[in-house]
Amino acid sequence: GAVVSQHPSRVICKSGTSVKIECRSLDFQATTMFWYRQFPKKSLMLMATSNEGSKATYEQGVEKDKFLINHASLTLSTLTVTSAHPEDSSFYICSASISGKNNEQFFGPGTRLTVL
Amino acid sequence: AQSVTQPDIHITVSEGASLELRCNYSYGATPYLFWYVQSPGQGLQLLLKYFSGDTLVQGIKGFEAEFKRSQSSFNLRKPSVHWSDAAEYFCAVGPSVGGGNKLTFGTGTQLKVEL
Repeated sequence: GAVVSQHPSRVICKSGTSVKIECRSLDFQATTMFWYRQFPKKSLMLMATSNEGSKATYEQGVEKDKFLINHASLTLSTLTVTSAHPEDSSFYICSASISGKNNEQFFGPGTRLTVL
Repeated sequence: AQSVTQPDIHITVSEGASLELRCNYSYGATPYLFWYVQSPGQGLQLLLKYFSGDTLVQGIKGFEAEFKRSQSSFNLRKPSVHWSDAAEYFCAVGPSVGGGNKLTFGTGTQLKVEL
């Protein structure tokens, strides 16, 4: 149980375009979803926290107009990288947690974004 | 503010040897502690977690970790490493109360296994 999927697993796009990444909890309802960014050989940097039906809470230094997060249902959150540029190239990982489950987060497999 | 330190960026061990990965945390109260493993290009897989109770925690793949409050440590151990254990390992800490379920990750330890 507690499986989280991400789609796509890999995406290449041109500079200036927007890219949407989906994060789904497949067998549970996620009260909270998290979006992380991971640079090569680096740790995970939390970008934002989203709760179903409410606006995401962004970490300091993360541009909310550039990284749009929508958490429309208890099983789906999306991250849209708007007007992507090469410096946005990274590995994006989502996770989901269940209320009352001792803060355990279940991670998706990640999405590799390459902006040309 | 909470923080996690993994002092070893890289560790190389021979297959069959024992392994210990260090993790120290800074937190104002008793935290929840986690160890995750990440293979190249993959997401994170939970190895084990500590919430309360027995300070020696058993996880998957033969891993264990011991919570030592006096040392603010949560070191990961395995008695005999397999070549398939080569990966990146992350220690993480989360609040036991409130905090919105946020996790703070260490910088990771890259494990290489020599055959």
